[in-house]
Amino acid sequence: EAQLVETGGGLIQPGGSLRLSCAASGFSVSLNYMSWVRQAPGKGLEWVSIIYSGGDTYYADSVKGRFTISRDGSRNTLKLQMNSLRADDTAVYYCARSESMADAFDVWGQGTTVAVSS
Amino acid sequence: SYVLTQPPSVSVAPGKTARITCGGNNIGSKSVHWYHQKPGQAPIVVIYYGSDRPSDIPERFSGSNSGNTATLTISRVEAGDEGDFYCQVWDSSSDHWVFGGGTKLTVL
Repeated sequence: EAQLVETGGGLIQPGGSLRLSCAASGFSVSLNYMSWVRQAPGKGLEWVSIIYSGGDTYYADSVKGRFTISRDGSRNTLKLQMNSLRADDTAVYYCARSESMADAFDVWGQGTTVAVSS
Repeated sequence: SYVLTQPPSVSVAPGKTARITCGGNNIGSKSVHWYHQKPGQAPIVVIYYGSDRPSDIPERFSGSNSGNTATLTISRVEAGDEGDFYCQVWDSSSDHWVFGGGTKLTVL
């Protein structure tokens, strides 16, 4: 069974950095399209970033230049390095899988909470 | 950037039919996916590629997509169908995923 488990969330001051991890089981993160999606408190879903199976990466305008998506094939883990964090980055962050570029996200993690506050 | 518009809320009596719309410019030419999210849980896909349904999703859930509107239809609504529904498309012009704002389904 395919599963995703996110870790790394927490309380961080504005301007700080945090790295999220998403451990996959039952499939290879390197052979799939992996995304990060976030949800601010009481708000809707917002796509954050994607890494293609071929390694290309794309970002939402709201995080471009501050966040970096990557993967570690040996550990079968997806990562999100978040720098220059702002209050409006406060959200539950989910990792999700799609099997190809336009496929639906068929596997989601349970989410990890990031709170940016002084 | 591509924008998807959903009604904030839809209310329906048990046993009736709920229709949730997702508006976007020429959305009928795009692949639309629908997700259901219950409080405190991750979303799950209920319809993919406009009208396909995962094997574990009840047949009561169906989808259509044409012109500028995609529609998620839930027949014989049950209390367990409550929650938030999101539409999603892949915007190939920007290599970005786009979500609609979400629709809260209330079963009266």
